[in-house]
Amino acid sequence: AQTVTQSQPEMSVQEAETVTLSCTYDTSESNYYLFWYKQPPSRQMILVIRQEAYKQQNATENRFSVNFQKAAKSFSLKISDSQLGDTAMYFCAFTLVWDDKIIFGKGTRLHILP
Amino acid sequence: DSGVTQTPKHLITATGQRVTLRCSPRSGDLSVYWYQQSLDQGLQFLIHYYNGEERAKGNILERFSAQQFPDLHSELNLSSLELGDSALYFCASSAAGGDYGYTFGSGTRLTVV
Repeated sequence: AQTVTQSQPEMSVQEAETVTLSCTYDTSESNYYLFWYKQPPSRQMILVIRQEAYKQQNATENRFSVNFQKAAKSFSLKISDSQLGDTAMYFCAFTLVWDDKIIFGKGTRLHILP
Repeated sequence: DSGVTQTPKHLITATGQRVTLRCSPRSGDLSVYWYQQSLDQGLQFLIHYYNGEERAKGNILERFSAQQFPDLHSELNLSSLELGDSALYFCASSAAGGDYGYTFGSGTRLTVV
């Protein structure tokens, strides 16, 4: 069975700093997709970034980028120039190419401090 | 607005009761997924429907059931409610599978007292 582990339950950083959220996953498959979702206090789940496992190039979306290490089964999220609006719960997630359901980690609560 | 509509936003009910949560997927999406978010369990997959047919079941209790109607909206029925069923229930939709991620609704907060 596939699992997603986020080892940092909670983190705090100062505004404008760079922060990295960790995620590891376990699978014996080679074709899959990885995601980071953001859940702000409004509780809406928002897709932040997506990575295709067959692509070596790390995905980037504005201030958000990932460090995808397939051999290590690691998928970390880097937030540059953090902003107060980045305060949220962040979930790492995984789905196999042939499987419709997405498996989520338990989340990292990120606080951006003014 | 994500395009996925969930009603009601909040629900308070007593133990032993039955409730129905409703979800309308984003226009054009055929897949609907239900997830339960508890404080200590993260998001747990419950069930997936595609174009009216059940495609996959997760850790869904026998007291829970769901269906997707011809107009593609979906309902999650929770019966014989227990205190431990209190959670945030999310509906999400996608055009087909999860390859591009889901679009989530804003959730229904269920409180069982």
